Amino acid sequence: GAVVSQHPSWVICKSGTSVKIECRSLDFQATTMFWYRQFPKQSLMLMATSNEGSKATYEQGVEKDKFLINHASLTLSTLTVTSAHPEDSSFYICSATPSQRFNSPLHFGNGTRLTVT
Amino acid sequence: RKEVEQDPGPFNVPEGATVAFNCTYSNSASQSFFWYRQDCRKEPKLLMSVYSSGNEDGRFTAQLNRASQYISLLIRDSKLSDSATYLCVVIPNYGGSQGNLIFGKGTKLSVKP
Repeated sequence: GAVVSQHPSWVICKSGTSVKIECRSLDFQATTMFWYRQFPKQSLMLMATSNEGSKATYEQGVEKDKFLINHASLTLSTLTVTSAHPEDSSFYICSATPSQRFNSPLHFGNGTRLTVT
Repeated sequence: RKEVEQDPGPFNVPEGATVAFNCTYSNSASQSFFWYRQDCRKEPKLLMSVYSSGNEDGRFTAQLNRASQYISLLIRDSKLSDSATYLCVVIPNYGGSQGNLIFGKGTKLSVKP
């Protein structure tokens, strides 16, 4: 159980275009989902917390106008990288948990590898 | 001092070997600890939670030392399929987002035949 699916798995786009990444909880409802970014040989860093029916909460240093998050339903959150640039090339991963407990482990989507040329 | 530190490795071990990883954390108020496994270019997958009393799952044993602020992962009888990067993950207990896990950079394990 607790399966999180992410789509697409990889995408290559030209500089200046926008890319949308979907994150779905397949067998549970998630009022909250999380978006991370991982650069090569670096640890995962939380970008933002996606809240169903309300605005996302962004971590310090993450531009909310560049990384648009929409959490329209209890099973879907989307991250749109707007006007992507080569420095946005990274591995983007979402996560969620069926539990409301603060210390429950998270389940991760399969990740999206974005390459901006 | 970084919040979560791990030896990046790589640890190159033969099949059947026992290998141990340590991870230190800086926030003494941290309450929850996990080991995740991440294969190359894949998402992290939960390996096991780490409990104060220590816990074991098959060939894997996790321990927590609060006094010294470190957690460990022991893998016995290493298999080729254990080759991966092992991430130490800590939830700092200062509130904030549930997703605000603190990840170590990971320790790379390579098991050779």
